Amino acid sequence: DGGITQSPKYLFRKEGQNVTLSCEQNLNHDAMYWYRQDPGQGLRLIYYSQIVNDFQKGDIAEGYSVSREKKESFPLTVTSAQKNPTAFYLCASSITGSRGQETQYFGPGTRLLVL
Amino acid sequence: AQSVTQLGSHVSVSEGALVLLRCNYSSSVPPYLFWYVQYPNQGLQLLLKYTSAATLVKGINGFEAEFKKSETSFHLTKPSAHMSDAAEYFCAVSDGTYKYIFGTGTRLKVLA
Repeated sequence: DGGITQSPKYLFRKEGQNVTLSCEQNLNHDAMYWYRQDPGQGLRLIYYSQIVNDFQKGDIAEGYSVSREKKESFPLTVTSAQKNPTAFYLCASSITGSRGQETQYFGPGTRLLVL
Repeated sequence: AQSVTQLGSHVSVSEGALVLLRCNYSSSVPPYLFWYVQYPNQGLQLLLKYTSAATLVKGINGFEAEFKKSETSFHLTKPSAHMSDAAEYFCAVSDGTYKYIFGTGTRLKVLA
């Protein structure tokens, strides 16, 4: 089945530690995204990538880093510079529709907690 | 600039009653509009999308939404609520590119 997978489902971070969240898709989508979700705030864009080896900062990129070495994979690293990392992280990918619009599809999410 | 407002962070309906979740948007260009549903501790699932074709859009699980340009609205409806509809619903607007603006969500509770 085609889809987007995220791992792990839960992740615990210690103070000063970098952690990496995995996102893989087999939908052959060109673009991929990372969002952060906090209660009552909707989704906020961290980074997105339209093609391999290229990515752009979103609205809240500080304290995060990404790479896009393969079309299928878009890992997110939460660095020690991110002082409030506790949140639900969602990965998405998108396809261009017949009218030229991008439609985003989401993975199941990773919940990051700080010890 | 684009923005989305979802009126009502919590909505309760009785099982079998009409579901109406409100979404108003602001956009300086013709918008593309989306509704997503999120069950607890899960990702977002696309319910339906408006892409400038028909103004009445039918989605999955019996939901539909109507694009009203004069009211800048894209409200989500379902004629008869089911217990399984209890979830959080997000409206999003896009100019067609990679940039989506999401609303803050409406949590739907279905009462037996």
